[in-house]
Amino acid sequence: DVKVTQSSRYLVKRTGEKVFLECVQDMDHENMFWYRQDPGLGLRLIYFSYDVKMKEKGDIPEGYSVSREKKERFSLILESASTNQTSMYLCASNPGVENTGELFFGEGSRLTVL
Amino acid sequence: KNQVEQSPQSLIILEGKNCTLQCNYTVSPFSNLRWYKQDTGRGPVSLTIMTFSENTKSNGRYTATLDADTKQSSLHITASQLSDSASYICVVSLLTGGFKTIFGAGTRLFVKA
Repeated sequence: DVKVTQSSRYLVKRTGEKVFLECVQDMDHENMFWYRQDPGLGLRLIYFSYDVKMKEKGDIPEGYSVSREKKERFSLILESASTNQTSMYLCASNPGVENTGELFFGEGSRLTVL
Repeated sequence: KNQVEQSPQSLIILEGKNCTLQCNYTVSPFSNLRWYKQDTGRGPVSLTIMTFSENTKSNGRYTATLDADTKQSSLHITASQLSDSASYICVVSLLTGGFKTIFGAGTRLFVKA
């Protein structure tokens, strides 16, 4: 089975702090994604990566950056956390663009910014 | 504008009853439609996938339908169980050169004993 692991399930940070959210997948997938999920809204794509060191902006990249130094690891960085970044963050992976598009999700990281 | 709308927003049913969740989409060009189940505190997991030419797909007690002409899909749950309590998310993928997916906001289902 595909395993997508997010390092932190719950985080509480203060405004202005730098936040790292880590995600690791064990199935050699090409694509990795970071979404945020807020009540009443669909999942919104922050960034995705289709290869090591490659990244593409999603729909809501402002205030975020990402890093993909190794194929299995995709990190989301909040340079200076703000209260409106309080949310559930979901990492996902996917084998490649020729597949059926199924996303394999991690358990999520719930971030609270005070 | 590409959108996926789900209804109802939430639903409460008694254990053993059936229910149907709706998904309407205005997405083009259409590639496929998936239903995901998201248990509380967990990531979403794919239940079914349907392409343009498919109009019914079953996965155990879950049956998804697709009407590509009216751009509607439904997820029918038969003989509900307490473990069916979750959010159900309709997701439509676009047929583009890259990877583009539109998520619905989900239907929150509560199954009561």
